[in-house]
Amino acid sequence: GAVVSQHPSWVICKSGTSVKIECRSLDFQATTMFWYRQFPKQSLMLMATSNEGSKATYEQGVEKDKFLINHASLTLSTLTVTSAHPEDSSFYICSARDTAYQYGYTFGSGTRLTVV
Amino acid sequence: LAKTTQPISMDSYEGQEVNITCSHNNIATNDYITWYQQFPSQGPRFIIQGYKTKVTNEVASLFIPADRKSSTLSLPRVSLSDTAVYYCLVGDPAGKSTFGDGTTLTVKP
Repeated sequence: GAVVSQHPSWVICKSGTSVKIECRSLDFQATTMFWYRQFPKQSLMLMATSNEGSKATYEQGVEKDKFLINHASLTLSTLTVTSAHPEDSSFYICSARDTAYQYGYTFGSGTRLTVV
Repeated sequence: LAKTTQPISMDSYEGQEVNITCSHNNIATNDYITWYQQFPSQGPRFIIQGYKTKVTNEVASLFIPADRKSSTLSLPRVSLSDTAVYYCLVGDPAGKSTFGDGTTLTVKP
C-alpha cells in the first residue's frame, strides 16, 4: 500500500529559529499533499494544500509567510515553520493520495514540534 | 465541504460490536464517506470508504442509507487495541479532507 514518510518525528527548537519538516511519498507520486496541525485533545486542522510545481494554497487564518511550503518534486513536500514561537508547538501531519490506490488519503506519522 | 456530526465519545467492552454513527445532512451528490482511525501521536489511518449501501473490508463495515445523510461505521468484536479516535469525513475523494471532532472510542477489558 501507499506509504508516506514524515521526518523528523519530533523536534525541539529555540524561539526565533526555523524548522523544516519533510513529507515524502515513498512508492507513489503525489501532485498534491496536505498539511495539518493538531493540538492536544483536538482534531486535525487543515493548514494548506501543497501543489507540485506551484504555490501552496493556504486555509483562512494560516500565515503563509510563517508556514512556508515547498513542493518541488512529485514525492516531496516540505513545511518550514519560520521564526518559531512556543505557540507554534503542535503535532504537524502531512497526507497524500495515491491515485492508483483509489481509496482515501495516506497520512504521515506526524512531527511533534516543541518550541522552547 | 459537508459538515459532520459524531458522538464525542463511546465506551465498549472487548469482544463487542461497536457502531459509530455520523450525520452529514448536507452531503453532496459527488461526495464519498471515509472513516479514519487515529492513535495518540500518530497520523490517521484509513479504515473504509463508501458512497452508498454497504461496504465491508477486513476490519470494518460501513452502512449508508439511501438518503446518504448519515453513515455508520461498524467494528466487529473490538479489542483493547481498537481504543482510538475515529473520524468521519465527507467529500470528494480527490479533494482536501476536513476533519470534524471525531469519536473517542474506549474499549474496556
